[in-house]
Amino acid sequence: DAGVIQSPRHEVTEMGQEVTLRCKPISGHNSLFWYRQTMMRGLELLIYFNNNVPIDDSGMPEDRFSAKMPNASFSTLKIQPSEPRDSAVYFCASSFFIPGLAGGGETQYFGPGTRLLVL
Amino acid sequence: AQSVAQPEDQVNVAEGNPLTVKCTYSVSGNPYLFWYVQYPNRGLQFLLKYITGDNLVKGSYGFEAEFNKSQTSFHLKKPSALVSDSALYFCAVRALSGGSYIPTFGRGTSLIVHP
Repeated sequence: DAGVIQSPRHEVTEMGQEVTLRCKPISGHNSLFWYRQTMMRGLELLIYFNNNVPIDDSGMPEDRFSAKMPNASFSTLKIQPSEPRDSAVYFCASSFFIPGLAGGGETQYFGPGTRLLVL
Repeated sequence: AQSVAQPEDQVNVAEGNPLTVKCTYSVSGNPYLFWYVQYPNRGLQFLLKYITGDNLVKGSYGFEAEFNKSQTSFHLKKPSALVSDSALYFCAVRALSGGSYIPTFGRGTSLIVHP
């Protein structure tokens, strides 16, 4: 398996522009996570999907951020409009969650990340 | 709300010496605990986890961790450090809260192994 695939790997954009980050989870996985990593705040969970349904989006910073998972093999994280403070590395991770069978204890597999710079 | 604390931003150790990276957690239920490692410009990689059973968990690359419920700790250890172990280490916890298992990560500890 190719692992979790993220694109683009690097993105440089100007303030006010729309940014779309993409993620393809590992085939067969049913949970998907979006994280943001910065020096100041460490690794933050933005949103968590299970079976394509958002379970928790309390980490989404504000209305400028939105995430979708139209099917089991694709997810997007969109920032519109982007601001310099959104500059960070954004990670996508996937896992296979089995309710009742140590569900919650499954391993997450991370993608390589998208390094976003908003000028 | 659940939380994870990694009290050391950086740990320095000489190659061949034992290493410990500390982690404490706070949850309201039974925790699932994890250690991940991040090498420069890479995503996080799974090292080991505690789900249930034996408190001593062995993982990849010779690492192990001990779950201590009374001290709410899950310290990462290795008997003999290698220079190649130098990386950023994250402790994470998941516990049932509000009907779902939301993962929470610590801020990370930079491990530097000196030759």
